[in-house]
Amino acid sequence: SQTIHQWPATLVQPVGSPLSLECTVEGTSNPNLYWYRQAAGRGLQLLFYSVGIGQISSEVPQNLSASRPQDRQFILSSKKLLLSDSGFYLCAWSHTRDRLELFFGSGTQLSVL
Amino acid sequence: AQSVTQPDIHITVSEGASLELRCNYSYGATPYLFWYVQSPGQGLQLLLKYFSGDTLVQGIKGFEAEFKRSQSSFNLRKPSVHWSDAAEYFCAVGAGDSWGKLQFGAGTQVVVTP
Repeated sequence: SQTIHQWPATLVQPVGSPLSLECTVEGTSNPNLYWYRQAAGRGLQLLFYSVGIGQISSEVPQNLSASRPQDRQFILSSKKLLLSDSGFYLCAWSHTRDRLELFFGSGTQLSVL
Repeated sequence: AQSVTQPDIHITVSEGASLELRCNYSYGATPYLFWYVQSPGQGLQLLLKYFSGDTLVQGIKGFEAEFKRSQSSFNLRKPSVHWSDAAEYFCAVGAGDSWGKLQFGAGTQVVVTP
């Protein structure tokens, strides 16, 4: 069966510090990968998605970037965090064919102080 | 572009009572519709989905949802709520060519009282 791992679960970072959140998927090959952000009291906002190694599409211009160095690894980064980057970040994957059905990781609560 | 509205931000229901969560969508073609549930501090779990066919969809944990094209709705129901159903519920809509770019509603927080 497929599993998705996302870490860390919680992160507190000062403004201006770098960020690296990692997500890996097991039990499937060539998945579509996604980063979503959830702000308090709001729905989920798609930040990035990837259909293959090195292929990244950005949905919202912002202070963040994403990379996919391996087939089942997806990384969310920032060089300098802003207060507005605080939120709950969720990684997700979908099959290449049934690509609308998303499977989510357990999320990372990021607090930028 | 598609959009989703969940009119109820917060719902309180007694254990054993029925639950209905509303979801209205806006999309020009036949949408792909989903309900997800999120426990505190956790990721989202898929409850059910509608792509085509029978408009009454059965999901996990005893939930069901009905697609009503005339009302642009996809309401979630459960006949008898358990305390473990306390969570946040998200409706989402996607288009066939939109990859995993689902549009999520703002969510409905469900509180279950004894």
